[in-house]
Amino acid sequence: DTEVTQTPKHLVMGMTNKKSLKCEQHMGHRAMYWYKQKAKKPPELMFVYSYEKLSINESVPSRFSPECPNSSLLNLHLHALQPEDSALYLCASSQDLDIGGSPLHFGNGTRLTVT
Amino acid sequence: GNSVTQMEGPVTLSEEAFLTINCTYTATGYPSLFWYVQYPGEGLQLLLKATKADDKGSNKGFEATYRKETTSFHLEKGSVQVSDSAVYFCALTQGAGGTSYGKLTFGQGTILTVHP
Repeated sequence: DTEVTQTPKHLVMGMTNKKSLKCEQHMGHRAMYWYKQKAKKPPELMFVYSYEKLSINESVPSRFSPECPNSSLLNLHLHALQPEDSALYLCASSQDLDIGGSPLHFGNGTRLTVT
Repeated sequence: GNSVTQMEGPVTLSEEAFLTINCTYTATGYPSLFWYVQYPGEGLQLLLKATKADDKGSNKGFEATYRKETTSFHLEKGSVQVSDSAVYFCALTQGAGGTSYGKLTFGQGTILTVHP
């Protein structure tokens, strides 16, 4: 069982919808991450929060909006997505940004389909 | 910048065969190196790691040695099982002060299929 829980597991949304992906961890980790993974490709980093503050934004389009309400929760708000945004969205956490010392723990992801 | 190159896949083996997946990297300084595994329908799991030259990471029968002289971190297993079928990613990160602090640089992934 993964210690990083993501909901929902699957999501289908239209291009005009607004939806949110949720991620939760109870390991006391202070860094949380959103990754996007296309089929047969490695994950691509989107956002990193450290101590509930946005630390890294990899030039992600504004139709993706992250939120970190507290140290255990991470959300990704979606609005006006495009079909090419269909992918597996992975959440991860680590003790802190020193991921050499405390590696990432990944959730099982949300499979997003944009129609 | 940093980069990781993995051997092209897919790799298909019979059960109990020997496995090697090659991984080489480009990075400044002394990165930490990882192998992650992704089983079908799941997220990534850390398989093993090494944080300094000549360190050997090992887990579940898999091993990899951090070779700074050849900038390599090849994954090996002496006898694979059907349950090892998955995608394997080599990755690196740099420590504090590096431009990639908090970021993982992944290789392109190698699909492994093990037949009974």
